Amino acid sequence: GENVEQHPSTLSVQEGDSAVIKCTYSDSASNYFPWYKQELGKRPQLIIDIRSNVGEKKDQRIAVTLNKTAKHFSLHITETQPEDSAVYFCAASKSGGSNYKLTFGKGTLLTVNP
Amino acid sequence: SAVISQKPSRDICQRGTSLTIQCQVDSQVTMMFWYRQQPGQSLTLIATANQGSEATYESGFVIDKFPISRPNLTFSTLTVSNMSPEDSSIYLCSVEGTGSLEIGYTFGSGTRLTVV
Repeated sequence: GENVEQHPSTLSVQEGDSAVIKCTYSDSASNYFPWYKQELGKRPQLIIDIRSNVGEKKDQRIAVTLNKTAKHFSLHITETQPEDSAVYFCAASKSGGSNYKLTFGKGTLLTVNP
Repeated sequence: SAVISQKPSRDICQRGTSLTIQCQVDSQVTMMFWYRQQPGQSLTLIATANQGSEATYESGFVIDKFPISRPNLTFSTLTVSNMSPEDSSIYLCSVEGTGSLEIGYTFGSGTRLTVV
């Protein structure tokens, strides 16, 4: 089955700096890669996703890049703010067919220091 | 995206008992997913529930321990049976995005279970 590795497990940055979180996946058939933000005591919230037919996607201060050949994808947060502090999870799945299940990475605790 | 109501939000249960968690969606969805998130850990898929068929369980999870019902396209339940302290976790339901091109998954608010 799919295996998703996520690094780093913790990341501390100063407000205004950029943060990068990286994930690798094992199943070359995976073609959908979402990122979730989970604040303490709350549900995971989808913040951005990318499909395998594109290499990059941006949404304001957040961007995701995908390298299908190397089977890795990354989350980039620019101009970080204290409210960006949370646990971020990457995930992978295969769209199509009858099973869209997500396989998650272990998460990255991001701390943005004022 | 779909709106999911999950209950109970939390519960403290005695070992050996069972708890049933409910998940109600405001739109019809083909698949519903049940995840477990142990303290400080990532999300692990327990099973996928399709309406009208038996749930598909992931490795390490069995129907006798986590029976699932899916009576219609907007509702599902997960039961945690014969609980032990190791079952203390957050349990979350999730649904696929609506529309043929949207695969964004939405999560319920979760059920925080403590077994004593």
